[in-house]
Amino acid sequence: SQQGEEDPQALSIQEGENATMNCSYKTSINNLQWYRQNSGRGLVHLILIRSNEREKHSGRLRVTLDTSKKSSSLLITASRAADTASYFCFTGFQKLVFGTGTRLLVSP
Amino acid sequence: EPEVTQTPSHQVTQMGQEVILRCVPISNHLYFYWYRQILGQKVEFLVSFYNNEISEKSEIFDDQFSVERPDGSNFTLKIRSTKLEDSAMYFCASRGTGTSGNTIYFGEGSWLTVV
Repeated sequence: SQQGEEDPQALSIQEGENATMNCSYKTSINNLQWYRQNSGRGLVHLILIRSNEREKHSGRLRVTLDTSKKSSSLLITASRAADTASYFCFTGFQKLVFGTGTRLLVSP
Repeated sequence: EPEVTQTPSHQVTQMGQEVILRCVPISNHLYFYWYRQILGQKVEFLVSFYNNEISEKSEIFDDQFSVERPDGSNFTLKIRSTKLEDSAMYFCASRGTGTSGNTIYFGEGSWLTVV
């Protein structure tokens, strides 16, 4: 399966706060990716981390990967209202199987 | 930055009518996908397409659905006889090969309303 399981299902924070969401997966991986979907919109690729990497940064995003625990986390620092979206993680790239994601609500 | 484009952005159609949703994948990509999302539900995989043939399809992708790459740039999804339950957002996606082939890029979607 190329589906990750995101946790928590929902997260509500204030603007300026940090948001952390987690992903667990079942199989060995070559890479793990995070996507974002704003309500009713297309999915946007955020970041890819390879299995030999432990941490990766992109702007306000920080992703960690722990292959021994088969888990990853996505940290969004200094969140903004525009970060309000659902966030999904995936392993592999052949076919993405969507879970429910983490629904992040950032309030002004 | 290259992007996947989809048309129309919104279409309303009568039940039983045929609908064609169009997609222009990123130009050097070779793998193409259709997904759909019924309002309030998860995004669901429909079909993947490579080398001018379907490589995988889901149970949703029954005989009412077909895909085609009629030329070098377009990738279409046809629904032959639409049903009310086909109302959904349909997303096209594409992927390249090699090191850039790890990421699937999505279009903004085509919202289909069947009345």
